[in-house]
Amino acid sequence: NAGVTQTPKFRILKIGQSMTLQCTQDMNHNYMYWYRQDPGMGLKLIYYSVGAGITDKGEVPNGYNVSRSTTEDFPLRLELAAPSQTSVYFCASSYSWGGDIQYFGAGTRLSVL
Amino acid sequence: AQTVTQSQPEMSVQEAETVTLSCTYDTSESDYYLFWYKQPPSRQMILVIRQEAYKQQNATENRFSVNFQKAAKSFSLKISDSQLGDAAMYFCAYRSAGRYIFGTGTRLKVLA
Repeated sequence: NAGVTQTPKFRILKIGQSMTLQCTQDMNHNYMYWYRQDPGMGLKLIYYSVGAGITDKGEVPNGYNVSRSTTEDFPLRLELAAPSQTSVYFCASSYSWGGDIQYFGAGTRLSVL
Repeated sequence: AQTVTQSQPEMSVQEAETVTLSCTYDTSESDYYLFWYKQPPSRQMILVIRQEAYKQQNATENRFSVNFQKAAKSFSLKISDSQLGDAAMYFCAYRSAGRYIFGTGTRLKVLA
């Protein structure tokens, strides 16, 4: 079972470059999420989606964009990368809005230099 | 706004002993869920245990159990018979209306 798959696992960007972090889930989950985890900190929600075509901002959306054209895919776009975006990024999905557990990808470690 | 506080940045436990990780939260909502997630060095977040706020009975999953005190807004995790594989970061999380709030984590070291 693949679950939630994130690519790439590691990436180094130069300041001002752009990139897209890919996230795919094969569990037919409606709800998908992007988090960032800074060193020594918990996860902070960047964006989330409740279904194809519907996205909303989380706690820390500035500098990021998302789209949800299909149930399976939820890419995160970084425009004009900044050193403050150096972090580990996690994608997650869940079946419902309530108490269902979230299934996490393995994360993408991004460094902006 | 909801907040989740883990006041223990690091804890140590001897193998086979019991350890309790603390978590407090703040919310004005009555319907919510609480979780403990484990993050090993591989970084993959894994659910340990879940508690529905409307349930008074404490959740239990094998060696893992919680002490849920709703009035005190406390949600501690007890790990019994600690094993080397339990060594990881543990995150307490609050969920309501589909959105998670995570604590800053407690690093658990298991000593052989």
